[in-house]
Amino acid sequence: DAKTTQPNSMESNEEEPVHLPCNHSTISGTDYIHWYRQLPSQGPEYVIHGLTSNVNNRMASLAIAEDRKSSTLILHRATLRDAAVYYCISSNSGNTPLVFGKGTRLSVIA
Amino acid sequence: DAGITQSPRHKVTETGTPVTLRCHQTENHRYMYWYRQDPGHGLRLIHYSYGVKDTDKGEVSDGYSVSRSKTEDFLLTLESATSSQTSVYFCAISFEGLTGSEQYFGPGTRLTVT
Repeated sequence: DAKTTQPNSMESNEEEPVHLPCNHSTISGTDYIHWYRQLPSQGPEYVIHGLTSNVNNRMASLAIAEDRKSSTLILHRATLRDAAVYYCISSNSGNTPLVFGKGTRLSVIA
Repeated sequence: DAGITQSPRHKVTETGTPVTLRCHQTENHRYMYWYRQDPGHGLRLIHYSYGVKDTDKGEVSDGYSVSRSKTEDFLLTLESATSSQTSVYFCAISFEGLTGSEQYFGPGTRLTVT
């Protein structure tokens, strides 16, 4: 089972910021936090990952709580193309493959 | 886009027949993965490979076998297809260790077993 907890669905207005939460209360000190997203009828797509510090890239920002028990994926300005299922995954430091949960389905309203 | 192709993209087959799905990459990545995706279950790992001839089972490996005779190709075989194996199958690759780098996914193969 995935070791993260995400809301089943969220809704956002177009051109507004979106904060997608993820709880990973059992995360260990060496586990990374990964985010992927899956657009309709496509394979999953890497978004961002981090360990302790907040991370930014061209797609999104990842804010990691100081105790690392939760994190937030931030889309700074949602577009209709951001409508997708977003997966938060905490990796196993024992070097086993990522385990995808059911994710959060993000709807973006024009 | 990462150079990952899957073939076939769609297949309909009958129960009891063998089926082989192919994943081909042009990135020379060491790690390759096969997932299946079903409504209500999300993505589930079937098998993965960490090098030529090096493979291991994932969480739903029963009824599936894999082979990797060269870096660029990872084959998934259903020895005797069943209706429960109707699914969308995704291949993925990654450059570094299993959890240390991003995975890139192929476009998927939709398999229907009648």
